[in-house]
Amino acid sequence: AQKITQTQPGMFVQEKEAVTLDCTYDTSDQSYGLFWYKQPSSGEMIFLIYQGSYDEQNATEGRYSLNFQKARKSANLVISASQLGDSAMYFCAMRVGGGYQKVTFGIGTKLQVIP
Amino acid sequence: EAQVTQNPRYLITVTGKKLTVTCSQNMNHEYMSWYRQDPGLGLRQIYYSMNVEVTDKGDVPEGYKVSRKEKRNFPLILESPSPNQTSLYFCASSPETGLYNQPQHFGDGTRLSIL
Repeated sequence: AQKITQTQPGMFVQEKEAVTLDCTYDTSDQSYGLFWYKQPSSGEMIFLIYQGSYDEQNATEGRYSLNFQKARKSANLVISASQLGDSAMYFCAMRVGGGYQKVTFGIGTKLQVIP
Repeated sequence: EAQVTQNPRYLITVTGKKLTVTCSQNMNHEYMSWYRQDPGLGLRQIYYSMNVEVTDKGDVPEGYKVSRKEKRNFPLILESPSPNQTSLYFCASSPETGLYNQPQHFGDGTRLSIL
């Protein structure tokens, strides 16, 4: 069975500071993908960044980077230079390869950026 | 414009009255999925479909039905809704089944209240 754990229900960060949102995962599959999505107060789900289980380098997308530590089964999202528009819920998710196509989400972290 | 369209966006109904939430995507995606989002529980997968006529249960399928008769449509059916199905529902799609490196495109969500 797959599991995603996000242990920070809520976090605050000062504008222009960096923040790390934690995500740990559990799976027995060797091939899997890890995703982060953002959900602003308007409710839509926005894809931010992806990391594959075989990727040797950490993924980066603009101000977002993923700190992937495979041995620890962690995939933390780092947001650099926080902006007020980063205030939102953030979800970590995992998808495994092959014929088993379930997708598992964590419970999310609510990030609030303080001016 | 590439999109996943859900209807209705909001619905208040009563216990036991059958309802259908429609989902349609215009991206020729193979994979489609339904999730429900509840406070403190994140997103949980209800059903997913890997292609036309191929559907499978997610983590919380009880009380729901789905069908995939055409590639673009994946309706969610509540045959006898109950108050514990009050939730925010998302439909999502991604290009190919069998690949774990594809993020999902989400609809705008359907807020369902069962009285």
